[in-house]
Amino acid sequence: EAAVTQSPRNKVTVTGGNVTLSCRQTNSHNYMYWYRQDTGHGLRLIHYSYGAGNLQIGDVPDGYKATRTTQEDFFLLLELASPSQTSLYFCASRMGWGSAETLYFGSGTRLTVL
Amino acid sequence: QQKVQQSPESLTVSEGAMASLNCTFSDGTSDNFRWYRQHSGKGLEVLVSIFSDGEKEEGRFTAHLNRASLHVSLHIREPQPSDSAVYLCAMNNNNNAPRFGAGTKLTVKP
Repeated sequence: EAAVTQSPRNKVTVTGGNVTLSCRQTNSHNYMYWYRQDTGHGLRLIHYSYGAGNLQIGDVPDGYKATRTTQEDFFLLLELASPSQTSLYFCASRMGWGSAETLYFGSGTRLTVL
Repeated sequence: QQKVQQSPESLTVSEGAMASLNCTFSDGTSDNFRWYRQHSGKGLEVLVSIFSDGEKEEGRFTAHLNRASLHVSLHIREPQPSDSAVYLCAMNNNNNAPRFGAGTKLTVKP
């Protein structure tokens, strides 16, 4: 069973704070993704990676950095958090492609920036 | 990048009546399309995947894809109150990243 683990589950910080969201998958999937989910916007792609050391810019990257340190670990960094980044963040890994594509999602991290 | 538009934003149907949700996309490069369901406070559950023009049925859920009109729809037969959730369409092409629509909030009234 493919598993994606996100931590922390909940995080509260203040404006200007430094936050790191963690994601780990243990299935050796190449592709990993960070999305944010906000009411009325669905899931929006922040950054993604197709392997250790690789980073691809998503659709809403402003204010976010990401780093893929290993095949398993993908981190999302908010170095100067702002209230507009209050959101539910999902990490996902992908197995296969095309008709065989399957996304595995983590349980999400709810971030509140005061 | 691929842009995905969903409609309607919200939909209320009576139990047993057909529910129809729509998704349009900006170009024809995507080659796989999926519908997900997300109950309040929960994760995403894939309902049906479709890869070629036509129809794909998974239980009470049927997806229709028409690439020429850049449109994919989901029809839910005999919806139940437990189907009340947010429905998201998603699409991808090969080595890109899946893009999602903004979602349709479905409410099924007993």
